[in-house]
Amino acid sequence: QVQLVESGGGVVQPGGSLRLSCTTSGFTFNIYAMHWVRQAPGKGLEWVALIWYLGTDEYYADSVKGRFTISRDNSNNRLYLQMNDLRAEDTAVYFCARASDSTGTTDFDYWGQGTLVTVSS
Amino acid sequence: QSVLTQPPSVSGAPGQRVTISCTGSSSNFGAGYDVHWYQHLPGTAPKLLIYRNKNRPSGVPDRFSGSKSGTSASLAIAGLQAEDEADYYCQSYDSSLSGSVFGGGTKLTVL
Repeated sequence: QVQLVESGGGVVQPGGSLRLSCTTSGFTFNIYAMHWVRQAPGKGLEWVALIWYLGTDEYYADSVKGRFTISRDNSNNRLYLQMNDLRAEDTAVYFCARASDSTGTTDFDYWGQGTLVTVSS
Repeated sequence: QSVLTQPPSVSGAPGQRVTISCTGSSSNFGAGYDVHWYQHLPGTAPKLLIYRNKNRPSGVPDRFSGSKSGTSASLAIAGLQAEDEADYYCQSYDSSLSGSVFGGGTKLTVL
């Protein structure tokens, strides 16, 4: 069965960096686009970043553009999110999600359980 | 301010039918992009409920239905059950943002 498991969350100081990982299994990773989505405490879901199936194209929400980088390792079925210059408003549970297509313009059909990132001094 | 607009909350008694609206714009729904709906319980992974406007993934009861017309969409839940109490989100793709967008979420309370 399809599984997505996030890791790498934790507590980091403002201005710090963190790298999230999403380990996947149960499907052919290299034919699907992948997303990161986050939920801040008491808030709704916010789309963060998208990467196409071969990793050739990346797109970001304005709130993270220039600070976050999404990447993927199709050899090891893993998705990553490098987060730099972290701010208090980046505090959230971060979910990885599979797109149901190769370029990420449709739905998110499978989700991980999420990993908590807390930005605090 | 979310790109897609949902009511913050809706409620209904067991057995009743409720609808949740989702309003978009010319760069998402109006541009032909589909709406998708998710059910989310705190502390869990969001679950795809309706995809491509009106389709249910395997395992989703037919009490859940979706529709889209122009720049508006809606999710209907018939025969409300206590287990339906959750947060519901609409989602689409936005061409002006070159990315996905979510509604602000609607909290469903089963009275």
